[in-house]
Amino acid sequence: SQTIHQWPATLVQPVGSPLSLECTVEGTSNPNLYWYRQAAGRGLQLLFYSVGIGQISSEVPQNLSASRPQDRQFILSSKKLLLSDSGFYLCAWNRARITGELFFGEGSRLTVL
Amino acid sequence: AQSVTQLDSHVSVSEGTPVLLRCNYSSSYSPSLFWYVQHPNKGLQLLLKYTSAATLVKGINGFEAEFKKSETSFHLTKPSAHMSDAAEYFCVVSDRIQGAQKLVFGQGTRLTINP
Repeated sequence: SQTIHQWPATLVQPVGSPLSLECTVEGTSNPNLYWYRQAAGRGLQLLFYSVGIGQISSEVPQNLSASRPQDRQFILSSKKLLLSDSGFYLCAWNRARITGELFFGEGSRLTVL
Repeated sequence: AQSVTQLDSHVSVSEGTPVLLRCNYSSSYSPSLFWYVQHPNKGLQLLLKYTSAATLVKGINGFEAEFKKSETSFHLTKPSAHMSDAAEYFCVVSDRIQGAQKLVFGQGTRLTINP
């Protein structure tokens, strides 16, 4: 069966510090991978998606970047965090070229102080 | 562009009474629609999905939703609420983006169950 792991689960960082959130998927190959952000009391906003190694598409301009160094690994980064980067970040995957639901990780809560 | 509107930000019902969470969608073609549930500080779990098959879709935990094209609605219902149903619920429409799939989320409806 397929599983998705995200870490760390919670993170408190000062403004201006770097960020690295990691996500890995097990039990499948060549998945589509996604990063979503959920701000307090709001729905989810798609930040980045990837259809293959090294292929990253950004949905909104922001202070964050994403990378996919391996087939089942997706990393969300920032060089200098802003207060507005606080939120709940969710990684998700689905099978390439298959329409259907996304499968979500447990999320990473980032608080920037 | 695809979009969804959840008509209620907060719904409160008593345990054992019916649940209705309302959702309207906007789509330029036949959409795929989903309902997800999120418990506090957790990821999202799929409740059910509509992908142009039967218009009445049954999901997990006794939930179901009916796709009504004429009303552009996809309301979520459950005959009898349980305390464990308290959570945030998201109505979602899918959109294709260059070989991947973009899920467009509604703002969410917080469901509170009163004992």
